[in-house]
Amino acid sequence: DSGVTQTPKHLITATGQRVTLRCSPRSGDLSVYWYQQSLDQGLQFLIQYYNGEERAKGNILERFSAQQFPDLHSELNLSSLELGDSALYFCASSVGALDTQYFGPGTRLTVL
Amino acid sequence: AQSVTQPDIHITVSEGASLELRCNYSYGATPYLFWYVQSPGQGLQLLLKYFSGDTLVQGIKGFEAEFKRSQSSFNLRKPSVHWSDAAEYFCAVNLNYGGSQGNLIFGKGTKLSVKP
Repeated sequence: DSGVTQTPKHLITATGQRVTLRCSPRSGDLSVYWYQQSLDQGLQFLIQYYNGEERAKGNILERFSAQQFPDLHSELNLSSLELGDSALYFCASSVGALDTQYFGPGTRLTVL
Repeated sequence: AQSVTQPDIHITVSEGASLELRCNYSYGATPYLFWYVQSPGQGLQLLLKYFSGDTLVQGIKGFEAEFKRSQSSFNLRKPSVHWSDAAEYFCAVNLNYGGSQGNLIFGKGTKLSVKP
């Protein structure tokens, strides 16, 4: 158990819908990262937050957004969902940007 | 652009045999290097990491990895594979500079199967 929690574990929804994925980092970690794992793209970095502020953006679509709250938990919002958004979404946390990242169990999103 | 290459998509080894998984990176300096393992339906578990210092690093579950700067490689090894090692293994780099700090770049992964 990495100490990073993600909810829900599974999510099934329809195209055009909007969903919210939630992540609670390890106690003491200030950085939160979101990654997407799909069969064709592999594991890709989406976005990073540090202590409530956005730090870096990767290959995140404009339809996707995230935020980190004062209690340091983070949410990833995915809207106008398309079939191609079906993937495993991981959250990771670390103390700082260059420290080891610990991954949560992931949320498997299926868009029908 | 920075990249991580794991040339072997799938490897099958016999239980008790030795294992080496290859990883090469493309980057102008020495990044921070990691190996993660993912069992089916599970998240990513850290096996080991290299930041600096001794180029041979020990990890959990009997794994070790050697950083070779001249070859831009960070290969993962285990002297004797157990059936429970069957999983997918990912090499990753953390670009330790500027605005890219924290972004892990992953290889495509190597799936390990273990024959009894």
